[in-house]
Amino acid sequence: KNEVEQSPQNLTAQEGEFITINCSYSVGISALHWLQQHPGGGIVSLFMLSSGKKKHGRLIATINIQEKHSSLHITASHPRDSAVYICALQGGAQKLVFGQGTRLTINP
Amino acid sequence: NAGVTQTPKFQVLKTGQSMTLQCAQDMNHNSMYWYRQDPGMGLRLIYYSASEGTTDKGEVPNGYNVSRLNKREFSLRLESAAPSQTSVYFCASELWERENTIYFGEGSWLTVV
Repeated sequence: KNEVEQSPQNLTAQEGEFITINCSYSVGISALHWLQQHPGGGIVSLFMLSSGKKKHGRLIATINIQEKHSSLHITASHPRDSAVYICALQGGAQKLVFGQGTRLTINP
Repeated sequence: NAGVTQTPKFQVLKTGQSMTLQCAQDMNHNSMYWYRQDPGMGLRLIYYSASEGTTDKGEVPNGYNVSRLNKREFSLRLESAAPSQTSVYFCASELWERENTIYFGEGSWLTVV
């Protein structure tokens, strides 16, 4: 069983829809990262969470440490949000464990 | 991906050839990483360096060597390339502290034929 599971693997939605991507994990962590990878390949860090909730623009990330679950929400989605979203677990040894990613496509 | 520069962006190698991927960061970060990304799989750690002069193996170190000669630079060497090393390679760096952000290079597409 993978330490980190993302769902869904693929998501297609219409512009304006509210998007939720989930990340569940089975190990203890010190923090969880959400990353965005654009079709050109570049990877950008969106959030690092150790508890609660963070918001940046139209993006909201939440984490429930007890339930070992995190979600990434996108409000008022736009075609430019189309990307692969990756959650990554941060343990105590400075090493990240990555999920396989969720491929999001937002159609105009 | 301001701050982390990796080269080359594209490379084709023949089986058995050697090459070095270069990575440099200008953010005074302590920790640097090399990952590989393969279709259908998450990023996997090859090697990491927690500080200048130290390196440690990650999940998939076989066939690779690394060098952290100074705080800025962390290179990845393939001594004898194999087709199984065809992948996209990412260098990353972070300042290991409570609210750290990890920064990635733009990736290096390597094909071994």
